[in-house]
Amino acid sequence: ETGVTQTPRHLVMGMTNKKSLKCEQHLGHNAMYWYKQSAKKPLELMFVYNFKEQTENNSVPSRFSPECPNSSHLFLHLHTLQPEDSALYLCASSQSDWGGPVGNTIYFGEGSWLTVV
Amino acid sequence: AQSVSQHNHHVILSEAASLELGCNYSYGGTVNLFWYVQYPGQHLQLLLKYFSGDPLVKGIKGFEAEFIKSKFSFNLRKPSVQWSDTAEYFCAVNAPGTYKYIFGTGTRLKVLA
Repeated sequence: ETGVTQTPRHLVMGMTNKKSLKCEQHLGHNAMYWYKQSAKKPLELMFVYNFKEQTENNSVPSRFSPECPNSSHLFLHLHTLQPEDSALYLCASSQSDWGGPVGNTIYFGEGSWLTVV
Repeated sequence: AQSVSQHNHHVILSEAASLELGCNYSYGGTVNLFWYVQYPGQHLQLLLKYFSGDPLVKGIKGFEAEFIKSKFSFNLRKPSVQWSDTAEYFCAVNAPGTYKYIFGTGTRLKVLA
């Protein structure tokens, strides 16, 4: 049990499909993240939300559309993806007393394996 | 821009061997440093972290890491590995007060029984 739950764990979709990934955190954190994990590449930060407001979009293509209705839930809406988007998508959360001197630990979910065919 | 380098992509060791995984970062200011581990089929979980104070940090399962500021390094060590340490290990850096956590490419460790 990580405190960060992602569904579905596995998703296969066609290039014309629309699907969504869901993330829920039970840690009382205020910040939520989407990362992409591909083989032989560093984890790529995609989006960051702080108190439901998007604070970072790391030049992510518009076929990925995040939504954060509250501090506990985060979605990633997927539309007209490409085969190269196949990867493990990780949701994470942390406290967000940004601007202070203390660091915060980021906690990850188990990820959603996405295959685009 | 911040970056993290993990030079060992694959490491194979026999049980009881000592482990040292390298991590170097590129960032001029104060940093928070982390090591995460991902066991096969499981989520990324925190192994240890350094925010300030004693540069030798002890984590779970007998792991430790040493922050050497002059070398921009945060190497992970374990004196005697076990088969159950087979996993992928990620080093990460974060600038205090920011949301950007930058990860390395990971090191796959395989421990032979």
